[in-house]
Amino acid sequence: AQTVTQSQPEMSVQEAETVTLSCTYDTSESDYYLFWYKQPPSRQMILVIRQEAYKQQNATENRFSVNFQKAAKSFSLKISDSQLGDAAMYFCAPFVNDKIIFGKGTRLHILP
Amino acid sequence: DSGVTQTPKHLITATGQRVTLRCSPRSGDLSVYWYQQSLDQGLQFLIQYYNGEERAKGNILERFSAQQFPDLHSELNLSSLELGDSALYFCASSPGTSAFQETQYFGPGTRLLVL
Repeated sequence: AQTVTQSQPEMSVQEAETVTLSCTYDTSESDYYLFWYKQPPSRQMILVIRQEAYKQQNATENRFSVNFQKAAKSFSLKISDSQLGDAAMYFCAPFVNDKIIFGKGTRLHILP
Repeated sequence: DSGVTQTPKHLITATGQRVTLRCSPRSGDLSVYWYQQSLDQGLQFLIQYYNGEERAKGNILERFSAQQFPDLHSELNLSSLELGDSALYFCASSPGTSAFQETQYFGPGTRLLVL
């Protein structure tokens, strides 16, 4: 069965600094997607970035990038130049065989 | 306000009972998702409907069922309730069918307490 672990329940980062959120998962499949979602107080679930497991190149979206280590089953999210609007709950979510499993989330605080 | 509405906000019931949770998606959204959130299990995806058809299924128990009606509102039915079903149930909507690959808008949730 797929599992996903986000080992950091809460993190804080100074505005303009860089922060990395960690995620590890377990699956026996070789082809799947990995997502990071952001859930701000407004209760959207915003897709931040996605990675196809067959791609070796790490995905990037503006200030967001991932470090995908397939063999280690690790999928961390790096946020550069943190902004106040980045404050939110972040969920890591493997999407395998049409099923999605969410981690328990990391609450990110941005310190002005 | 995300534009997604859920009723009721709170529900208290007894074990063995059946309840129905209702969700109205944002105007124009065709997909509805149901999630269960509890302290120990975190956020769990239950089921997705797109324009009245089941599109994706997660860890939904056989005691639970859902449907999406022609006006696109959705209902989640929970039966033979157990203590462990106590949780926050969220509904979310999105415009299309690209399961999980587009932004979802969450409702305020229904807090279910099973005694």
